Amino acid sequence: RKEVEQDPGPFNVPEGATVAFNCTYSNSASQSFFWYRQDCRKEPKLLMSVYSSGNEDGRFTAQLNRASQYISLLIRDSKLSDSATYLCVVYTGRRALTFGSGTRLQVQP
Amino acid sequence: DADVTQTPRNRITKTGKRIMLECSQTKGHDRMYWYRQDPGLGLRLIYYSFDVKDINKGEISDGYSVSRQAQAKFSLSLESAIPNQTALYFCATSTTGTSGTLRTDTQYFGPGTRLTVL
Repeated sequence: RKEVEQDPGPFNVPEGATVAFNCTYSNSASQSFFWYRQDCRKEPKLLMSVYSSGNEDGRFTAQLNRASQYISLLIRDSKLSDSATYLCVVYTGRRALTFGSGTRLQVQP
Repeated sequence: DADVTQTPRNRITKTGKRIMLECSQTKGHDRMYWYRQDPGLGLRLIYYSFDVKDINKGEISDGYSVSRQAQAKFSLSLESAIPNQTALYFCATSTTGTSGTLRTDTQYFGPGTRLTVL
């Protein structure tokens, strides 16, 4: 089983739609959680951290469910510029981050 | 100027050749990493270094070696390149911190090196 699993997509949604991505992780000792965004052929960049109480940054909302070892990202009012691959990332406090393989989002006009 | 730079950005080489990918950073971070990315497999850690004297293997270190020449420089070598090392390679740096009682780690990536081994 992969340490971090994501639905690869692609998710094809119209502009203005709300879309949600899910991610599960296997290590119950995981400490911190993140969503990174990666545009085609570019480097990943931190989108937002995920806090236990859930957190929001503009149109983006992240949720964490430690009991189910589940992380989600909700994007409201999708823009064309949101088209990218979204990487779920977990930090266990040792060595380095563990990356999911990503979920691809394509927002269509 | 970019905080994390990688050279070369693209490289085509032949099987059996030795190749070095270089990474430099101006962020002042102690931690540096090398990842490779393949379609459908996400980012996989090759080597990481928490300071100049601390180098560790990641999950896929076979066929690779690294050198941390200074805090700001971390190079990745393929001693004898093979076709299945064709991939996109990323260098990253990080700083650790805390969020409440939890330790956290934010990574900053270079622009990547696209390597093709024929």
